[in-house]
Amino acid sequence: GEDVEQSLFLSVREGDSSVINCTYTDSSSTYLYWYKQEPGAGLQLLTYIFSNMDMKQDQRLTVLLNKKDKHLSLRIADTQTGDSAIYFCAESKRDQAGTALIFGKGTTLSVSS
Amino acid sequence: DTGVSQNPRHKITKRGQNVTFRCDPISEHNRLYWYRQTLGQGPEFLTYFQNEAQLEKSRLLSDRFSAERPKGSFSTLEIQRTEQGDSAMYLCASSLGDSRGYTFGSGTRLTVV
Repeated sequence: GEDVEQSLFLSVREGDSSVINCTYTDSSSTYLYWYKQEPGAGLQLLTYIFSNMDMKQDQRLTVLLNKKDKHLSLRIADTQTGDSAIYFCAESKRDQAGTALIFGKGTTLSVSS
Repeated sequence: DTGVSQNPRHKITKRGQNVTFRCDPISEHNRLYWYRQTLGQGPEFLTYFQNEAQLEKSRLLSDRFSAERPKGSFSTLEIQRTEQGDSAMYLCASSLGDSRGYTFGSGTRLTVV
């Protein structure tokens, strides 16, 4: 299909791990990204992964990439209430960085204390 | 550098009026992008510039929309004869055209009444 797909909602308790999943469309996408959007704000780049990697870790964030299944996930360890936001998965439109990104609809993460 | 700046933050206009938004990118970024985001959706690509050249336009960018980046620095997005369906958040982003992704502004929220 043409769409980057994500589950719409995820609810976790503070201190638990959160896993947000994404299925992208273009097997030639070289870079895949995770963005975070808080209410009324623009999008903040959290992390990205190059397609020849299958994992990237950055502090509490772990990105897993399954290129065969075109599946990307973002794991947030020790989730905090400040992590409550909408998380967008995005793929580069063509096989190069710096071109238009295609975004999913976003996953709303709700963290309860 | 304070990041990507967009003005105004909010704009309410009557149907049929013209509106213009401004984006000031990060100064050393050569690429500038415009996206539109409606409620519950991810950002949708509209157009992008490399320096002053407009390199790509989405089919979402109807004839009523025009974007410019005259000196390769700030950009404007104009919507003529606004329609209610134009109500959305208009996001600007800039990048160096590499893998590090975009930096987004906080957006201009347009409401057409």
